[in-house]
Amino acid sequence: KQEVTQIPAALSVPEGENLVLNCSFTDSAIYNLQWFRQDPGKGLTSLLLIQSSQREQTSGRLNASLDKSSGRSTLYIAASQPGDSATYLCAPTNQAGTALIFGKGTTLSVSS
Amino acid sequence: DTAVSQTPKYLVTQMGNDKSIKCEQNLGHDTMYWYKQDSKKFLKIMFSYNNKELIINETVPNRFSPKSPDKAHLNLHINSLELGDSAVYFCASSQVAAYEQYFGPGTRLTVT
Repeated sequence: KQEVTQIPAALSVPEGENLVLNCSFTDSAIYNLQWFRQDPGKGLTSLLLIQSSQREQTSGRLNASLDKSSGRSTLYIAASQPGDSATYLCAPTNQAGTALIFGKGTTLSVSS
Repeated sequence: DTAVSQTPKYLVTQMGNDKSIKCEQNLGHDTMYWYKQDSKKFLKIMFSYNNKELIINETVPNRFSPKSPDKAHLNLHINSLELGDSAVYFCASSQVAAYEQYFGPGTRLTVT
């Protein structure tokens, strides 16, 4: 059974800092892994999708890496901005690829 | 254009009632999902449908029944609502299983 852990649970940084969010998962037999952001009271916005055969994926100031064999993924945010404040969720698939398994998220607060 | 939409956005009802939440996607995707986010913000898969066929059901009480009239719709019907059903319910879709998932805005269900 896939279990996902995200560290840290919460993070507060001043604007402009580069930061890393960590995700670990117990079952390496995944199809892909998605990173989402969720703003308070809102839905989920997909940030990046990494296929199981890929090592990393980039979108703007975001870079996500995947080490499937060790069950780890990181989300790197460059030059953080107050608008980045949100909860970031890591979600690898289950073994059958039929569902995403979510961590509890990292709540990020970027101060100006 | 909204890719994945849900109605209603908010639903307040009493214990014992039966209610439905509707979900529609205009992405032409083959697979749709329902997730539940509890009071601790933890997201968990409930169902997924692929071409009108249920492919997973993660220990959800049989009071919950997904109904898919066509490929673009996956509605969630809940019988005999209980206090513990209070949560935010998210609909999602993907081109096929194990592809990138896109989420709706969520339906906040409150059972009193």
